[in-house]
Amino acid sequence: DAKTTQPNSMESNEEEPVHLPCNHSTISGTDYIHWYRQLPSQGPEYVIHGLTSNVNNRMASLAIAEDRKSSTLILHRATLRDAAVYYCILRDVGSSNTGKLIFGQGTTLQVKP
Amino acid sequence: DTAVSQTPKYLVTQMGNDKSIKCEQNLGHDTMYWYKQDSKKFLKIMFSYNNKELIINETVPNRFSPKSPDKAHLNLHINSLELGDSAVYFCASSSHATSGGGTQYFGPGTRLLVL
Repeated sequence: DAKTTQPNSMESNEEEPVHLPCNHSTISGTDYIHWYRQLPSQGPEYVIHGLTSNVNNRMASLAIAEDRKSSTLILHRATLRDAAVYYCILRDVGSSNTGKLIFGQGTTLQVKP
Repeated sequence: DTAVSQTPKYLVTQMGNDKSIKCEQNLGHDTMYWYKQDSKKFLKIMFSYNNKELIINETVPNRFSPKSPDKAHLNLHINSLELGDSAVYFCASSSHATSGGGTQYFGPGTRLLVL
């Protein structure tokens, strides 16, 4: 499975936008880019995923570089509830699709009031 | 209604004991997983079942034995518990057929402490 690189931690102010970067220079054509987050003392939860085009949902937006070697998760207005560890994960849906998620260390996002 | 539930939420036990953790999902998914999160917060896949068939076994010691009585349940039995088994165990489920690899839904976790 391809590897992703994320900053260990980031800080944001409440009600400001947050851009969480992820590098995945060895991404293959069948890798989807998934983002999950883990709030304190909870299980991971799905945030968003995409393949080539930018994606929006009620939680966030995902901006994918044209060469797909990097992506950015955008939280439009951070709230205190968004303080969590954010994981960028590549999922291969080709022939070896076992469905497993390979988590890295993620980015710990702190939101200041 | 809770989508993915686990019991117990907390489990404190002595070394050498045998214990089980149960997981149930009411999402109609055909694939279920067990992940382990250690003290350094590193999350790692352990097992996965698709339609009651084991499809992932990530070199986990034989003391760990998953069992899937039906598609909605995946239990984890641990024999001869060791101190290093202390961790948070998360169950997850997904629909294997979904585009993009399938969104996984995680349970709240079972916090296991071996003394």
